[in-house]
Amino acid sequence: GAGVSQSPSNKVTEKGKDVELRCDPISGHTALYWYRQSLGQGLEFLIYFQGNSAPDKSGLPSDRFSAERTGGSVSTLTIQRTQQEDSAVYLCASSSTGYEQYFGPGTRLTVT
Amino acid sequence: AQSVSQHNHHVILSEAASLELGCNYSYGGTVNLFWYVQYPGQHLQLLLKYFSGDPLVKGIKGFEAEFIKSKFSFNLRKPSVQWSDTAEYFCAVSVSSNTGKLIFGQGTTLQVKP
Repeated sequence: GAGVSQSPSNKVTEKGKDVELRCDPISGHTALYWYRQSLGQGLEFLIYFQGNSAPDKSGLPSDRFSAERTGGSVSTLTIQRTQQEDSAVYLCASSSTGYEQYFGPGTRLTVT
Repeated sequence: AQSVSQHNHHVILSEAASLELGCNYSYGGTVNLFWYVQYPGQHLQLLLKYFSGDPLVKGIKGFEAEFIKSKFSFNLRKPSVQWSDTAEYFCAVSVSSNTGKLIFGQGTTLQVKP
């Protein structure tokens, strides 16, 4: 079956612009996670969704970051007024159990 | 706060050599433990997992890991590596009473020379 998909695969943006990253989880997976993979910080948790609600947003680095999930499926991660330190690979994962997570290919964000 | 430490950042081995990658975590309660692998140009894939039961778990491609609770460790092993095992390996922990979010180690890059 289809895995987790993310779009775009690559995004180059100018500092100060807003960006939206999309995640399509595996069908039927109620749990959805966003992580960030950067050279200096490794893999970091950003936010967790259960259905459409986000009970754990503890990993969002600043109020420029936000995410939503609609219909218990697609999720969008929005970064406002991007900064160079936002450059990273943004990974989405989904799970049916909340434990074993399946990762997407990621979106590589470059802020110039 | 929970943390995960991988001792080896870059490992270079010849084919057929044995592999052991160290992973230690800091959390006093019940944990779920994972090893993920990222092959060049590919996304993260689950290699193996431990939830409970037999502390020696076997994963895909001949990998295994042993959970030693007293040492807070979950080391990854493979008796004989292949060139195709060249990849980055991540140890991760999920706290059972939490949301299932993963806390990752810094990763170990394994390079296997043919």
